[in-house]
Amino acid sequence: GAGVSQSPSNKVTEKGKDVELRCDPISGHTALYWYRQSLGQGLEFLIYFQGNSAPDKSGLPSDRFSAERTGGSVSTLTIQRTQQEDSAVYLCASSLYHSRTDTQYFGPGTRLTVL
Amino acid sequence: AQKITQTQPGMFVQEKEAVTLDCTYDTSDPSYGLFWYKQPSSGEMIFLIYQGSYDQQNATEGRYSLNFQKARKSANLVISASQLGDSAMYFCAMRGRYGNNRLAFGKGNQVVVIP
Repeated sequence: GAGVSQSPSNKVTEKGKDVELRCDPISGHTALYWYRQSLGQGLEFLIYFQGNSAPDKSGLPSDRFSAERTGGSVSTLTIQRTQQEDSAVYLCASSLYHSRTDTQYFGPGTRLTVL
Repeated sequence: AQKITQTQPGMFVQEKEAVTLDCTYDTSDPSYGLFWYKQPSSGEMIFLIYQGSYDQQNATEGRYSLNFQKARKSANLVISASQLGDSAMYFCAMRGRYGNNRLAFGKGNQVVVIP
């Protein structure tokens, strides 16, 4: 079965440009998560979507970051006016439901480099 | 707040030997789930094993087992019969209602398996 997929796998951009990162979760999973992992660090939560509920955006570091999930499936994370400190690996995960027992399965990530 | 602590320095393990990775956590949540993930140099986060806080028995999954000591708030991962492919970063994580069921990660343990 297909796992979580993300595109692009690598993105190099110039400071000040906007970027869009895409995540395609496991089919049937209602919950979708975005994380950021800076070099040598653990994972930082950014945002999650659960079904038709309003997303939990509490982890977004600034208003330059936004995300949407269309049709309860594919999600796009947008970073506007990118800064060098945005350089990181952005990981997407999905789980069947948003509960303490549900395992999150991760995609391969998008490595973003801001020059 | 939920906090995961992984403080071991990088570890070198002889092939075919067992290794224990320490994880302690801090939460007042009575109900939570504990997860271990493996992140090889390729960057993908791979789910290994899950332990529920109310589970009576320690979780096992192939060569992975979890030494769960609830009173001490520890959930150590044991990898038996190490293989060269086990070389990776290993992350302990938890999710529970008090953390809005978001997955909180430790900073990881680096393991290098030597032949």
